[in-house]
Amino acid sequence: KQEVTQIPAALSVPEGENLVLNCSFTDSAIYNLQWFRQDPGKGLTSLLLIQSSQREQTSGRLNASLDKSSGRSTLYIAASQPGDSATYLCAPNTGNQFYFGTGTSLTVIP
Amino acid sequence: SAVISQKPSRDICQRGTSLTIQCQVDSQVTMMFWYRQQPGQSLTLIATANQGSEATYESGFVIDKFPISRPNLTFSTLTVSNMSPEDSSIYLCSVVGGVDGYTFGSGTRLTVV
Repeated sequence: KQEVTQIPAALSVPEGENLVLNCSFTDSAIYNLQWFRQDPGKGLTSLLLIQSSQREQTSGRLNASLDKSSGRSTLYIAASQPGDSATYLCAPNTGNQFYFGTGTSLTVIP
Repeated sequence: SAVISQKPSRDICQRGTSLTIQCQVDSQVTMMFWYRQQPGQSLTLIATANQGSEATYESGFVIDKFPISRPNLTFSTLTVSNMSPEDSSIYLCSVVGGVDGYTFGSGTRLTVV
């Protein structure tokens, strides 16, 4: 069974700082990996989807990388803003099932 | 990508009762997925719902507790039966959203008292 670990579990940064969230997974036979954002008590919003053949994807201030062979992905957030405060989840997809990490809870301080 | 309408968004229920959660998708999808997120935990897949067949449940989840209906390619319901406080969680439905990957509903926050 896929095990997903996200480090750090929680992170607090001042506004404007660049930051990196880390995700590692044990089964490298994935089809793709998706990063989500979850606001407290809410559903998930998709941020980026990286196919297994890709190395990185960018959307605005977000950049996600994937090293499938080593079972790692990172989410880079540039020039963080208070509105970025949320829990970030990575989810590698092995076929038709996602396995979720417990997330990184990010707080951006104005 | 697909858009999912999930309701109710939240509910407070008495123990021993049942709650049915609905998800409506704006396009036809083969599979719909139901997840549970217990307080402070990550998401756990409950079951996969295919139209026209019985749902496939993950280990630890049974049909009597979490019956699922999938009457057509755009709609599914999950019922949480005979609820106890341990069922207090966020429940989410999900579909494959094409090139954008998976899309999730906005979630149902259930509190059992």
